[in-house]
Amino acid sequence: NAGVTQTPKFRVLKTGQSMTLLCAQDMNHEYMYWYRQDPGMGLRLIHYSVGEGTTAKGEVPDGYNVSRLKKQNFLLGLESAAPSQTSVYFCASRTGGANYGYTFGSGTRLTVV
Amino acid sequence: AQKITQTQPGMFVQEKEAVTLDCTYDTSDQSYGLFWYKQPSSGEMIFLIYQGSYDEQNATEGRYSLNFQKARKSANLVISASQLGDSAMYFCAMREEETGGFKTIFGAGTRLFVKA
Repeated sequence: NAGVTQTPKFRVLKTGQSMTLLCAQDMNHEYMYWYRQDPGMGLRLIHYSVGEGTTAKGEVPDGYNVSRLKKQNFLLGLESAAPSQTSVYFCASRTGGANYGYTFGSGTRLTVV
Repeated sequence: AQKITQTQPGMFVQEKEAVTLDCTYDTSDQSYGLFWYKQPSSGEMIFLIYQGSYDEQNATEGRYSLNFQKARKSANLVISASQLGDSAMYFCAMREEETGGFKTIFGAGTRLFVKA
């Protein structure tokens, strides 16, 4: 099915461990985003990309790194996980044009213990 | 600074009735877009409706309409003829052209409960 695919769907990490979340889209979208969702806070932008090879910081980038080596993939890395990074992570993509909303992945629930 | 405000943490509505979910926003940009998303209990995020700042008419998509009052900086979502499947979390969001149109910011959300 066309859309945005996130892997893994669930993960438990120990403090200090590292991991990479993968986002893949097959819609040829230029823009890709990583958000985190915490209770009562809506979605907050971590990093985003406006095209292959580009990345930029969002509202809450600290503790995360990203890469977009291929247009269809956007990777989110946690180098040294902390309990404060326990959250649900959403990847999203969109095409150009002002009136296009995001297509979201199904989310990754990450728990850092 | 908070740019999207959803003042209703939770709302109840009777099935088949209409309900309005409030959203106010803050921007100094002239060109911007407003969005509503739905998040059911299954967790996925679903794009519902879009309103551009220069659009003179309120956006409509099926049972969803956006009550856009530019001077008041409000973009309320109206759901007509509520259904049990409308029970979900609803997020208001804004994309400002000032930032190159790249970033969308979200409100904290309103949880809607539809009663049978």
